Amino acid sequence: QSALTQPASVSGSPGQSITISCTGTSSDVGGYNYVSWYQQHPGKAPKFMIYDVSNRPSGVSNRFSGSKSGNTASLTISGLQAEDEADYYCSSYTSSSSFYVFGTGTKVTVL
Amino acid sequence: QVQLRESGPGLVNPSGTLSLTCAVSGGSISSTNWWIWIRQPPGKGLEWIGEIFHSGNTNYNPSLKSRVSISVDKSKNRFSLRLRSVTAADTAVYYCAKRGKYAFDIWGQGTMVTVSS
Repeated sequence: QSALTQPASVSGSPGQSITISCTGTSSDVGGYNYVSWYQQHPGKAPKFMIYDVSNRPSGVSNRFSGSKSGNTASLTISGLQAEDEADYYCSSYTSSSSFYVFGTGTKVTVL
Repeated sequence: QVQLRESGPGLVNPSGTLSLTCAVSGGSISSTNWWIWIRQPPGKGLEWIGEIFHSGNTNYNPSLKSRVSISVDKSKNRFSLRLRSVTAADTAVYYCAKRGKYAFDIWGQGTMVTVSS
């Protein structure tokens, strides 16, 4: 089971919106609405940001939103802030024997 | 609120066995959740290692299945990871986590394990 494909880096200026893509296959992203997203600051554990494609857990800013089209899921950060600078990972349930697969990770830089 | 904390040796000899424990506090390991191990090599991405339910049912990443075992100790409210025949490629930060339905909603702080003689 290969990792889901994410862009290595995405950047934006404060206040702007950015979108991070996460591309898989019909066996994972495209086949199930079980995509989740995680934010990871350097030296820290990942933080749970989005589940079931587009749902935010309690306490996560509504500047973060998720969506999916076909085999590609997306995380959009609106009103970009300096604190959003971090690595972001998607994950999906997969029907392969791997059960769960992560994305390759995207480094978000706030210019 | 459930909290997780990993513990175990930070240095393991090549060909040896990596053993880590995750202590669960603020909740029961016998709740309807799966308990997860995930790792992250230095400078690289996340890898799902496997998971266990309190009944003892397990699922493992096929790439590690021949070397890994996860167990649960309900009396101590904790679960454990064992990875045999380790090499330098197993050097990573190891995280334990809780899976709520299909997402990893609570994570431990992580523990760095280095495989080296």
